[in-house]
Amino acid sequence: RKEVEQDPGPFNVPEGATVAFNCTYSNSASQSFFWYRQDCRKEPKLLMSVYSSGNEDGRFTAQLNRASQYISLLIRDSKLSDSATYLCVVDSSASKIIFGSGTRLSIRP
Amino acid sequence: GAGVSQSPRYKVTKRGQDVALRCDPISGHVSLYWYRQALGQGPEFLTYFNYEAQQDKSGLPNDRFSAERPEGSISTLTIQRTEQRDSAMYRCASTLGPNQPQHFGDGTRLSIL
Repeated sequence: RKEVEQDPGPFNVPEGATVAFNCTYSNSASQSFFWYRQDCRKEPKLLMSVYSSGNEDGRFTAQLNRASQYISLLIRDSKLSDSATYLCVVDSSASKIIFGSGTRLSIRP
Repeated sequence: GAGVSQSPRYKVTKRGQDVALRCDPISGHVSLYWYRQALGQGPEFLTYFNYEAQQDKSGLPNDRFSAERPEGSISTLTIQRTEQRDSAMYRCASTLGPNQPQHFGDGTRLSIL
């Protein structure tokens, strides 16, 4: 079993739709969680950190469920510019960072 | 510089050659990470440093791969006796410290012929 697992997609949704991704992790001792965004042929860039109480940044909401060991990302009112690969990142232990394989999102007009 | 700088951007070499990939992190960043990324996959952890100390090298595929960061700033990832399967994008990231968000460089695209 992979340490961090994501649905690879692709998710193809119309502009304005709400879309959600989940990511599961296997190490219950994991401390920090992030969502990164990666555009084609570019480097990953931090989208948002994920806090225990859940957090929101504009149209993006991230949540952490430690009991079930998953994190989620919700995108509301999706824009064409949201098309990208979304990477779930878990700080597994002693700062060993594990990336998921990514979920591809495509927003259509 | 303002961001993480990696060089070269592209490296094409024949199998059996040694290659050295360089990473210059953001000034003042304590932690430095090396990753390998295949097409359609997320970055795969290779190794990481706090200052000059290599904290974890469990992701290095085999003993042909090594990394150093002798002065706690610039790091070099070396691959000896390269093989075709080593072809990938190699990415470096730096952070202010453990558990902090990572800032990535543009990567080095390595192609082994």
